[in-house]
Amino acid sequence: NAGVTQTPKFRVLKTGQSMTLLCAQDMNHEYMYWYRQDPGMGLRLIHYSVGEGTTAKGEVPDGYNVSRLKKQNFLLGLESAAPSQTSVYFCASSLTNGELFFGEGSRLTVL
Amino acid sequence: GEDVEQSLFLSVREGDSSVINCTYTDSSSTYLYWYKQEPGAGLQLLTYIFSNMDMKQDQRLTVLLNKKDKHLSLRIADTQTGDSAIYFCAESAGNMLTFGGGTRLMVKP
Repeated sequence: NAGVTQTPKFRVLKTGQSMTLLCAQDMNHEYMYWYRQDPGMGLRLIHYSVGEGTTAKGEVPDGYNVSRLKKQNFLLGLESAAPSQTSVYFCASSLTNGELFFGEGSRLTVL
Repeated sequence: GEDVEQSLFLSVREGDSSVINCTYTDSSSTYLYWYKQEPGAGLQLLTYIFSNMDMKQDQRLTVLLNKKDKHLSLRIADTQTGDSAIYFCAESAGNMLTFGGGTRLMVKP
């Protein structure tokens, strides 16, 4: 049972480049989330989705876009990467807003 | 946004009890959670407590909730080296969970 899978796991970008992080879950969960984790700051919610075709802003949405075209996938896009977006990104899913199941993380470095 | 606060670091000896503390701000939170993050991995749910409860025990884990002071704690009895990890408390607010900054627990043999 794969659970929540994130790709890629590591990526290095130059400032101004774009990229997309893919999150896939096989648990038929309605809710999906993208968090970033920075030292000493815990997890901060970037965007989330409460169902296919819906997205909403979280705490730190600026510089990111998301799409939820299929229920099992939640994409996080960076249109023009900045060094401040260097972080570890976690995707999570849940049936409701209770227990979250997390992916293993994607480490992004922006030079 | 809501602030959930935790101390950054805790060090204990193997076999001792660990107590990790958390303060939260949203009195309307229905559930409060403890998650564990091991190195290089995502977070995993350890336990949770419903807001109308004062205490919940689950094997070596005891969660205490003081709603008046908005204080949550996690006690790990007989702490083992395998318990070394970062522990996050979280409160539910609408469709989102708000996480604290995490407490790194180090267990010395």
